[in-house]
Amino acid sequence: SQQGEEDPQALSIQEGENATMNCSYKTSINNLQWYRQNSGRGLVHLILIRSNEREKHSGRLRVTLDTSKKSSSLLITASRAADTASYFCATGNQGAQKLVFGQGTRLTINP
Amino acid sequence: SAVISQKPSRDICQRGTSLTIQCQVDSQVTMMFWYRQQPGQSLTLIATANQGSEATYESGFVIDKFPISRPNLTFSTLTVSNMSPEDSSIYLCSVGLGGGAWEQYFGPGTRLTVT
Repeated sequence: SQQGEEDPQALSIQEGENATMNCSYKTSINNLQWYRQNSGRGLVHLILIRSNEREKHSGRLRVTLDTSKKSSSLLITASRAADTASYFCATGNQGAQKLVFGQGTRLTINP
Repeated sequence: SAVISQKPSRDICQRGTSLTIQCQVDSQVTMMFWYRQQPGQSLTLIATANQGSEATYESGFVIDKFPISRPNLTFSTLTVSNMSPEDSSIYLCSVGLGGGAWEQYFGPGTRLTVT
């Protein structure tokens, strides 16, 4: 079964606005990652945050991790039409060399 | 990073037939993974394929249905056997760089439709 639960399932905003997506998980993790998928194609790795980190930035992306709440958020600032995609969180679990993906958030940026 | 290609990119197959999907990486990697993504759904790991050992299958996936080969450090195949319409999905391979599974790079996927 999927470990990650993402919220919201779908998000539609205007270009230039900020988009926030949330991910919750159930077990202890080594790291948490975010991926983007455009139109059912391959996934693109966006950012990895380790369990001992609380916040990480990459360009317009900001990821936070709260291990006490077993949750993470992905913030995309100043959104663009090209950000329209599905976004997945994935957890790397301690003791298992594999990723478990959340259900994903479908983000639509309206021009 | 790694550049990963998959063949075919898409196919339409008849019920009861088999399809072999190829995954080629431009560098040597230890860990390769095969995922299934059913329509509108997230990714589900089918198996982990390490060169020189048998693939490790996840719960709900069996070797008879999804045989995997990993003949070298840059190539793997996944066969979807005795297909049914329920096998219609996108199949993705990925590789883990740095010897681990954490940061994975994905191929473009194979879109399979079974009629």
